[in-house]
Amino acid sequence: DIQMTQSPSSLSASVGDRVTITCRASQHIGRFLNWYQQKPGKAPKLLIYAASNLQSGVPSRFSGSGSATDFTLIIATLQSEDFATYYCQQGYSTPETFGQGTRVEIK
Amino acid sequence: QVQLQESGPGLVKPSQTLSLTCTVSGGSISSGANYWTWIRQHPGKGLEWIGNIYHTGSTSYKSSLKSRLAISVDTSNNQFSLELRSVTAADTAVYYCARRGDHFSYDNWGLGTLVTVSS
Repeated sequence: DIQMTQSPSSLSASVGDRVTITCRASQHIGRFLNWYQQKPGKAPKLLIYAASNLQSGVPSRFSGSGSATDFTLIIATLQSEDFATYYCQQGYSTPETFGQGTRVEIK
Repeated sequence: QVQLQESGPGLVKPSQTLSLTCTVSGGSISSGANYWTWIRQHPGKGLEWIGNIYHTGSTSYKSSLKSRLAISVDTSNNQFSLELRSVTAADTAVYYCARRGDHFSYDNWGLGTLVTVSS
């Protein structure tokens, strides 16, 4: 199975901050990398697909980059509604594994 | 807009079978290159891919669950289902059904249903 490792596991940030979350795959996955946001008690929501493509309806302050094994999610200017847990997921091969999550908390 | 909704018992006894159904509305389960997927989340933990099914009935399962797991599809009712046999407390989780769409990503999710394994 492909292992997905996110860092950091959690972070504290203020509204207006720039936030960077990284995701590393244990093997080459091309650009088959997706990012999700999950709020407590809710289903995950797709933010970014294929490493850098913004899902319809997602604010442009979210962006993704990377390929092969190293990927990044950036929130350019953190808003109050962005406090949540973020997951990366590889769609390269089954089982389609997720990272352990990055919790973004209010500083 | 495709919508998914899980249904099934919220409480299952140890050693019994966990059965859930996902009903798809707003689109046909047989259309496109969609894979219909079950994902679970243990309390306070991350997301775990369980398995998926194509409308033809072709399946893929997580290897550690394969001996206990069956996913099936009912195209006439636009539903797919999960059966997990011989459950233990370790199977207590929120179970989500989701659609893997064109970009190998999960663009539609059900609300999730909590299944507790307890006597």
